[in-house]
Amino acid sequence: DTAVSQTPKYLVTQMGNDKSIKCEQNLGHDTMYWYKQDSKKFLKIMFSYNNKELIINETVPNRFSPKSPDKAHLNLHINSLELGDSAVYFCASSLGRGYTFGSGTRLTVV
Amino acid sequence: RKEVEQDPGPFNVPEGATVAFNCTYSNSASQSFFWYRQDCRKEPKLLMSVYSSGNEDGRFTAQLNRASQYISLLIRDSKLSDSATYLCVVRGYSGGGADGLTFGKGTHLIIQP
Repeated sequence: DTAVSQTPKYLVTQMGNDKSIKCEQNLGHDTMYWYKQDSKKFLKIMFSYNNKELIINETVPNRFSPKSPDKAHLNLHINSLELGDSAVYFCASSLGRGYTFGSGTRLTVV
Repeated sequence: RKEVEQDPGPFNVPEGATVAFNCTYSNSASQSFFWYRQDCRKEPKLLMSVYSSGNEDGRFTAQLNRASQYISLLIRDSKLSDSATYLCVVRGYSGGGADGLTFGKGTHLIIQP
């Protein structure tokens, strides 16, 4: 059983499109996150979210929006995709000290 | 100043050698500290937590110096399978709220036969 699962694993799309990446965790964790790893391999947090609070890293453009239908899901919606959005996006979840990452979604904008 | 700084390497080390990495962090309010390992095209995975008292897990030893805001990782008797990128990670109060992780850029380690 996959603890944190993301779909799709790969996504190639054209500039200007709107796309979503889905994330689900079956660990019963109360907080979920999105991280971005760019071409220089630098991992940076984008959002953290539990059922009470959304915290947005101020460097994230407002074209990116997290959507959480329930505690086990945190999807990432991206509007008007740009070339610079090409990266690997990792979902993660945590409860206390435990922290688990999904296997990543490799987004390529052409 | 970067929040978590590490030497990116690469470190090319012969199998069986001992190798040490370190990193520094800027936010003195940080609460938790970790080393993660990331293999090529994979997600980061927790290697070990880091405590001021120092902690050991098999061939791996980690140490935290809060006064200097310095974290270290020592790998003894290195194996080919230790080849990876080692990420210094600090948790809390940095862009992602109390539970967000702040990653260093990673140190790339290559163990050579």
